[in-house]
Amino acid sequence: GENVEQHPSTLSVQEGDSAVIKCTYSDSASNYFPWYKQELGKRPQLIIDIRSNVGEKKDQRIAVTLNKTAKHFSLHITETQPEDSAVYFCAASLGRATNKLIFGTGTLLAVQP
Amino acid sequence: EADIYQTPRYLVIGTGKKITLECSQTMGHDKMYWYQQDPGMELHLIHYSYGVNSTEKGDLSSESTVSRIRTEHFPLTLESARPSHTSQYLCASSTSGRAGEQYFGPGTRLTVT
Repeated sequence: GENVEQHPSTLSVQEGDSAVIKCTYSDSASNYFPWYKQELGKRPQLIIDIRSNVGEKKDQRIAVTLNKTAKHFSLHITETQPEDSAVYFCAASLGRATNKLIFGTGTLLAVQP
Repeated sequence: EADIYQTPRYLVIGTGKKITLECSQTMGHDKMYWYQQDPGMELHLIHYSYGVNSTEKGDLSSESTVSRIRTEHFPLTLESARPSHTSQYLCASSTSGRAGEQYFGPGTRLTVT
């Protein structure tokens, strides 16, 4: 079946450094790629998303890039802060005409003050 | 306030009991989903619904069943709980149309003893 691979599984950075999380998807029909942040004991919340007709999207300290040819997309967080510490999940839509999402395995980001 | 509500938030129950996890949304969304998530791990889609009287199984096999009699209500039922059902269950919803943001409820943490 289709899947989404996510790396690294854990990432520790110093406050102020940048963090990059990478995902690879298998379904060539995927056209929607969201990123969710889940703090300990909380529900997942969307932080940024990108559609297949766009190569890059930025929102303040967060950016996402998409390489459709390679089926790669990445999350970039600049000037990390302790409150960025959480588990981050990438996801890809399943097929072209579905709202179903396949999630990656998650990255635990720890920002050291 | 528009939101997704899940009850109970925590449930400890003995093997063999029948349980129903409730999910209601006031978002006005047509599509609803149930995910199973072990702590800090990826989300697995177990059921989804595109509208009233529409339910389908997700990618992860589950012994649970769902119903969608009202747009805002999407309960999940386990006829006979087992320790292997111990997990967190997250309900989500999204608008109709092309793939977009899924909004998550706070989750139900189920422990079967």
